[in-house]
Amino acid sequence: QSALTQPPSASGSPGQSVTISCTGTSGDIGGYNYVSWYQQHPGKAPKLMIYEVSKRPWGVPDRFSGSKSGNTASLTVSGLQAEDEADYYCSAYAGNNCWMFGGGTKVTVL
Amino acid sequence: QVQLVESGGGVVQIGGSLRLSCVASGFTFSDHGMHWVRQAPGKGLEWVAFVRYDEQKSYADSVKGRSTISRDNSKNTLYLQVNSLRPEDTALYSCARDAFNYAFDIWGQGTLVTVSS
Repeated sequence: QSALTQPPSASGSPGQSVTISCTGTSGDIGGYNYVSWYQQHPGKAPKLMIYEVSKRPWGVPDRFSGSKSGNTASLTVSGLQAEDEADYYCSAYAGNNCWMFGGGTKVTVL
Repeated sequence: QVQLVESGGGVVQIGGSLRLSCVASGFTFSDHGMHWVRQAPGKGLEWVAFVRYDEQKSYADSVKGRSTISRDNSKNTLYLQVNSLRPEDTALYSCARDAFNYAFDIWGQGTLVTVSS
């Protein structure tokens, strides 16, 4: 059970877009369409932003979008805003009622 | 409102045990699978354990064999018993609701476990 691979950091100016990748294997990301993304501000609980690769929960702005190709999933934040500065984590179902998280990506709004 | 509140954390010696609790409110607890997720200080999220609505259980390799997840639907409470604690078990332990879509949609604020010699 190795963690999914995310870049440690990403950045963009307000109004720009940033894309975060999350790489796994055929046993997790590549095997199921059950990738989710979480936003975590310092000292706060994680918040679900994307589920089932590309679906947004009610209340999540459509600036957040998700996709998947093979063993790699991606989260794109368009029209960056100051409040988007946070840590982002991907998660994937790995079968047999087991889940994995990525190491997290710190997004900085320049 | 929908809420999860953890308790039971603290400072424990290497080799000791702890039982963590998570009280749920605002939703039908028995309908949902429930997870424990931990986060070491300054580190990322790590999935720990899951109990399905029918009490089927699963564990991360890092805690398998020394942890037990359980639930009491009559008390709307989730538990995690961790034995043979190691320094690397030091973390904020949070419970999270399974959202019927293999995602974690509701999170508690967590309870801190510190394993020290």
